Amino acid sequence: NAGVTQTPKFQVLKTGQSMTLQCAQDMNHEYMSWYRQDPGMGLRLIHYSVGAGITDQGEVPNGYNVSRSTTEDFPLRLLSAAPSQTSVYFCASSPPGQVSGANVLTFGAGSRLTVL
Amino acid sequence: DQQVKQNSPSLSVQEGRISILNCDYTNSMFDYFLWYKKYPAEGPTFLISISSIKDKNEDGRFTVFLNKSAKHLSLHIVPSQPGDSAVYFCAASARTNAGKSTFGDGTTLTVKP
Repeated sequence: NAGVTQTPKFQVLKTGQSMTLQCAQDMNHEYMSWYRQDPGMGLRLIHYSVGAGITDQGEVPNGYNVSRSTTEDFPLRLLSAAPSQTSVYFCASSPPGQVSGANVLTFGAGSRLTVL
Repeated sequence: DQQVKQNSPSLSVQEGRISILNCDYTNSMFDYFLWYKKYPAEGPTFLISISSIKDKNEDGRFTVFLNKSAKHLSLHIVPSQPGDSAVYFCAASARTNAGKSTFGDGTTLTVKP
């Protein structure tokens, strides 16, 4: 079981470039989400999805797009990269049936993005 | 408006002693509270959780206490081990929006041998 796989692990972009961070999970989890972590700060929710075809905004959605065409994949798109988007990005998933219990997240290893 | 707060950025304890990490929240709608542990260059991993209808949950060396009236929870690690050195995040979620978790800023725990 691979769990949650994020690619790439490292990326350097120039201001204005676009890119997609990939996230895939093989645990048949319904819920998937993207977080960013900045130095000295916690994990801030960017976008999340409760199932294929359903996405919603988190705390810091500006500058990012997501789509969920399959249960397994949840890519995060940066439309026009800015230095303020330099961060470590974490994708997470959680299993179905969590509405009656704690939403326990399984995280990927992270993608470190630098925007120059 | 930060709904989950961890006011201590760092904590240092001696091996074998108790580590107590604290977390405060403001949103009364939160039903579940979780602790995650994070090592450098890795993603966070789930440690322990507690439902809002309980005041204590124990798993081996780890115990989480919830004081709902004070909107405060704490994680106790007894005895602390050097391998426990990591960043600990407190998180909360509401049953009505289970796909969304809110995290604190984390506390870096250092356990000295």
